[in-house]
Amino acid sequence: DVKVTQSSRYLVKRTGEKVFLECVQDMDHENMFWYRQDPGLGLRLIYFSYDVKMKEKGDIPEGYSVSREKKERFSLILESASTNQTSMYLCASRKTYEQYFGPGTRLTVT
Amino acid sequence: GENVEQHPSTLSVQEGDSAVIKCTYSDSASNYFPWYKQELGKGPQLIIDIRSNVGEKKDQRIAVTLNKTAKHFSLHITETQPEDSAVYFCAASGNTPLVFGKGTRLSVIA
Repeated sequence: DVKVTQSSRYLVKRTGEKVFLECVQDMDHENMFWYRQDPGLGLRLIYFSYDVKMKEKGDIPEGYSVSREKKERFSLILESASTNQTSMYLCASRKTYEQYFGPGTRLTVT
Repeated sequence: GENVEQHPSTLSVQEGDSAVIKCTYSDSASNYFPWYKQELGKGPQLIIDIRSNVGEKKDQRIAVTLNKTAKHFSLHITETQPEDSAVYFCAASGNTPLVFGKGTRLSVIA
């Protein structure tokens, strides 16, 4: 069965902290994605990666960076968390067509 | 780039009735159109998809239709049940990341 896991379901951080969100997939997918989801704004693409050590900016990359050192793992990094980064963060992976999401991490920055 | 519009934003139906959600896309190069269901507190789940070489696909009570000429596709749910209550997202892509509609909140009233 397809599996995308995210390191935390809920996370509370303080303004200015460095935050790491981890995502792991067990399907040997080349493509991985990070989205944020906010009410009324839908799913917005932050960063994506088509292969190990490569990354591409999505629609809203400002304030974020990513790391893909291994095929199965894709990390989202908030270098200095701000309150406007409070959101639901969703990781996804995809081989060719079907894309599968993890359960999400609800991040609150205070 | 691709732009996906989804309507309606909210939909209430009586249990047993049908529900229809419609999406339009802008990029004629898009060839893959999935639909996702998101329940409260969970990540989006792929429920059905269609590729541009077919006009309709059905899986039990759900079906998707695609009109490439008009650039629109629709999700049909028949004999709705309370467990169908969720937020539904459409998406479209070619050789690019999925672009999502803003979602439809479906409420099935028992």
